[in-house]
Amino acid sequence: EPEVTQTPSHQVTQMGQEVILRCVPISNHLYFYWYRQILGQKVEFLVSFYNNEISEKSEIFDDQFSVERPDGSNFTLKIRSTKLEDSAMYFCASRRSSGRAISYEQYFGPGTRLTVT
Amino acid sequence: AQTVTQSQPEMSVQEAETVTLSCTYDTSESDYYLFWYKQPPSRQMILVIRQEAYKQQNATENRFSVNFQKAAKSFSLKISDSQLGDAAMYFCACLSGTYKYIFGTGTRLKVLA
Repeated sequence: EPEVTQTPSHQVTQMGQEVILRCVPISNHLYFYWYRQILGQKVEFLVSFYNNEISEKSEIFDDQFSVERPDGSNFTLKIRSTKLEDSAMYFCASRRSSGRAISYEQYFGPGTRLTVT
Repeated sequence: AQTVTQSQPEMSVQEAETVTLSCTYDTSESDYYLFWYKQPPSRQMILVIRQEAYKQQNATENRFSVNFQKAAKSFSLKISDSQLGDAAMYFCACLSGTYKYIFGTGTRLKVLA
């Protein structure tokens, strides 16, 4: 069964450094998402991406964040200058194109644990 | 704005017994979907069960079933014959409108041997 994959599984970085989190969505999916989960808290929406542009973003997704689909298979989240509070689990998700019922479901990757020191 | 509320931070159940996790939600959309996700210590999000709001019949997946009360905006998860492997965080989520998930704060389920 196709899966969403994410790399790396764990990233440690120093405050102020740039990080890029990578995701490979399921191949026939067209909508892509990033979510964040600070340890012990709920999962929060960051951004959705469709047709090579952001379709929606949350207030968490400020100018320090950007997303890109550089080559038709990868979907990346970049944090330009990391802060301590960016330490969290970052989940990528994808879904197929429009339709009823199950096609609205998003498939989650295993997550990247980001630790900012 | 959509909200999802899980009022039980932690629940315990004896192995082989039944437990019900509560979830209430609020959305102004008429078309929406509800999910329960399991998050073990690995922190991967694992889909347990889904419910389409337009379906009156409660969804079931083996030992997992839901009690979907649309008028009350309630969506509880029942786990029958609980197993040690069921121990995890459980998140309720609502998907509607702009198609982003709104998650609840989670319920930690402990299974006692």
